[in-house]
Amino acid sequence: ILNVEQSPQSLHVQEGDSTNFTCSFPSSNFYALHWYRWETAKSPEALFVMTLNGDEKKKGRISATLNTKEGYSYLYIKGSQPEDSATYLCAWLVYAGNMLTFGGGTRLMVKP
Amino acid sequence: ETGVTQTPRHLVMGMTNKKSLKCEQHLGHNAMYWYKQSAKKPLELMFVYNFKEQTENNSVPSRFSPECPNSSHLFLHLHTLQPEDSALYLCASSQGTQPTRNYNEQFFGPGTRLTVL
Repeated sequence: ILNVEQSPQSLHVQEGDSTNFTCSFPSSNFYALHWYRWETAKSPEALFVMTLNGDEKKKGRISATLNTKEGYSYLYIKGSQPEDSATYLCAWLVYAGNMLTFGGGTRLMVKP
Repeated sequence: ETGVTQTPRHLVMGMTNKKSLKCEQHLGHNAMYWYKQSAKKPLELMFVYNFKEQTENNSVPSRFSPECPNSSHLFLHLHTLQPEDSALYLCASSQGTQPTRNYNEQFFGPGTRLTVL
């Protein structure tokens, strides 16, 4: 079984703090790594699709890096705001496969 | 708005009931998916349809029966469910199931929260 692991499972930070969390995935047969943001009672929404080793993507205060050789991706949030409170999911796409394998998510709560 | 809608948003049913979940996508996608999320577990893929043909059935019990009448609509028919089937059921769509189609980026609905009594 090839698992995708996310850590930590949950995280409480104060408004203004910067934070980061990790997605670990099998490094063999890598094709792509997706990050999704999932607010309570809403639909998961795509943040980034990352494909190349060393990729860095940025959207506003959120950025992500990718290391395919060691099998991990980091998601960073700079200056967290209460509206960043959500569950952040990563999903791994294997080469020549067509299904995403999801991690368990990191639940972020930002206190005002 | 992701362009994927699901109804109902909440459903409570007894073990002998028959009900259906509905998903509709307005994105012109060709692939649609059903996922299950149980408490403290990752999203589990249940079924995949590509151009209305079922291409994946992830060992799902027969009390769950999917239907895909066209590329825009997906149903999940439920009967004689068990309390352990209580979960959030998410629908998603993508351009296609080939990884070269935008790396299989998926667009999700908000889910149906199902409670089986």
